[in-house]
Amino acid sequence: NAGVTQTPKFQVLKTGQSMTLQCAQDMNHNSMYWYRQDPGMGLRLIYYSASEGTTDKGEVPNGYNVSRLNKREFSLRLESAAPSQTSVYFCASSGDSTYGYTFGSGTRLTVV
Amino acid sequence: DAKTTQPPSMDCAEGRAANLPCNHSTISGNEYVYWYRQIHSQGPQYIIHGLKNNETNEMASLIITEDRKSSTLILPHATLRDTAVYYCIVRSSENKLVFGAGTILRVKS
Repeated sequence: NAGVTQTPKFQVLKTGQSMTLQCAQDMNHNSMYWYRQDPGMGLRLIYYSASEGTTDKGEVPNGYNVSRLNKREFSLRLESAAPSQTSVYFCASSGDSTYGYTFGSGTRLTVV
Repeated sequence: DAKTTQPPSMDCAEGRAANLPCNHSTISGNEYVYWYRQIHSQGPQYIIHGLKNNETNEMASLIITEDRKSSTLILPHATLRDTAVYYCIVRSSENKLVFGAGTILRVKS
């Protein structure tokens, strides 16, 4: 099925550990995005990639790095996880500027 | 990016129309209004979007005022499955969606 696939769905990390969240889309979309959502709050943009080979910071980029590996894949890396990064992470993609976004089902990350 | 203002919560009786308002008084002429919803921590789901004209699809209708400073999302016959957080977003020319707190819609039987 066409859409956005995120892996893993759940993850528990210890403080200081690193990990990479994976995201892939099969809709040939140019733009991809990473958001985080804390309990009871709206989504906040971490990083985005307007096209293959480009990445830009969003509202809350500190503590994260991203890689747009190719047109399909956009990964989010936590180099040294902190409890404040406990959140649900959503990846999204979109076509041209008039299209809506398609979101993945999320990665639920807990840092202890 | 234009900011939006939505009521924090609304209730609606099952089978009745749900009318969700949104103010976006600083919207620019080329910025679209988008509506998304999020059901129980799933990924947000696209509902509808518009620029100037009213729009309708199989899920909802979007009414945009002539001055474009506000809009209303209409779910014509709300069901219990429409209980969700609804986000009104103005999409910038940089192609980013900036989410606010949204409106919690509770559909009650």
